[in-house]
Amino acid sequence: DQQVKQNSPSLSVQEGRISILNCDYTNSMFDYFLWYKKYPAEGPTFLISISSIKDKNEDGRFTVFLNKSAKHLSLHIVPSQPGDSAVYFCAASVLGGSNYKLTFGKGTLLTVNP
Amino acid sequence: EAQVTQNPRYLITVTGKKLTVTCSQNMNHEYMSWYRQDPGLGLRQIYYSMNVEVTDKGDVPEGYKVSRKEKRNFPLILESPSPNQTSLYFCASSSVRQLSQAFFGQGTRLTVV
Repeated sequence: DQQVKQNSPSLSVQEGRISILNCDYTNSMFDYFLWYKKYPAEGPTFLISISSIKDKNEDGRFTVFLNKSAKHLSLHIVPSQPGDSAVYFCAASVLGGSNYKLTFGKGTLLTVNP
Repeated sequence: EAQVTQNPRYLITVTGKKLTVTCSQNMNHEYMSWYRQDPGLGLRQIYYSMNVEVTDKGDVPEGYKVSRKEKRNFPLILESPSPNQTSLYFCASSSVRQLSQAFFGQGTRLTVV
């Protein structure tokens, strides 16, 4: 049973436009959500996170929105740049649990075209 | 520079030949874990460690062992590798103050033939 779902395997946008990556989750115990970015031949790197007590968190060009009632979060990148081309993983965690593991989605490949 | 270092980066081995993938972090993190990434399955946790001498199973522990004798090191051991363990492996570490914000190593691509 996949608890974190990224239903779009890939997304292609033009440079300067907005990229919107979506993520859904099924486990209502999740209370902390993260986005990781992964370039080929590298490990994932932390991008941005949000706690379940918030509905929005912003860091420069990146904004994450959380809709708890819909169990949905999204990552907005504005404006998109060619260097943003990478695989983006949505992840969720239960803070204060016995295992601080991250449950990952399958990832979305973002391609930003010049 | 803060980093998580895995070795080797690439490994091809034969079924049944014991191997160890090393992981070392220089951030004094308490929490370390291993993930495997497979096409269509994302990253799945194999084992984790909350501190020295404290380890436990993740979601897919079968066929793997770990040890945590020192805080900085968390090796992944495959006693008898099989082809279904062909995968991309990542080690990660976190501090107790930011447990969910893990730092990942560069990955080890393992092929078992």
